[in-house]
Amino acid sequence: GAVVSQHPSRVICKSGTSVKIECRSLDFQATTMFWYRQFPKQSLMLMATSNEGSKATYEQGVEKDKFLINHASLTLSTLTVTSAHPEDSSFYICSASAPGALDTQYFGPGTRLTVL
Amino acid sequence: QKEVEQNSGPLSVPEGAIASLNCTYSDRGSQSFFWYRQYSGKSPELIMFIYSNGDKEDGRFTAQLNKASQYVSLLIRDSQPSDSATYLCAVTALYGNNRLAFGKGNQVVVIP
Repeated sequence: GAVVSQHPSRVICKSGTSVKIECRSLDFQATTMFWYRQFPKQSLMLMATSNEGSKATYEQGVEKDKFLINHASLTLSTLTVTSAHPEDSSFYICSASAPGALDTQYFGPGTRLTVL
Repeated sequence: QKEVEQNSGPLSVPEGAIASLNCTYSDRGSQSFFWYRQYSGKSPELIMFIYSNGDKEDGRFTAQLNKASQYVSLLIRDSQPSDSATYLCAVTALYGNNRLAFGKGNQVVVIP
């Protein structure tokens, strides 16, 4: 149980384009999903907390207009990196909290974004 | 002071030995504590969680929590080469909404 998927697993795009990453909870309904970014040899950095049906809460320093988050259903949250630049190249990972264990986060496999 | 601190530097242990990882946290009100394992290039995988003071065992893993001293540790018994990974300590954060604060991680290298 508590399986989280992400799509795509890897994406390469040109600078200036937008990229959408999907995060799905496969066997449970996730009221809260989280988006993280991880640069090489660094720890996870929380970007935003996403609650179904409401606006995401962004961490300080994260541009909400650049990283658009939509959590339209209890099983799907999307992160769109708009007008991507090479410095946005990173490993983006989502996680979801399962009902009954709200502070336990299960991670998706991650999406490696490379912006040329 | 960082919310969650882990010892720096890789930990090398011979196969079959015990690996010991420590983590301290700053918020005395934290209630939930987690250990995640992250292989290179992969996302974190939950291996243990602990809520109460004392020890919690799951297979070769034992988590130890001491809220008075604000530390949580992870022991890996009979270390295997497949245990070579980075281990992340996570604690419920100050600001609620089930946010977790992560430490920087401890790299463990099990030498065959």
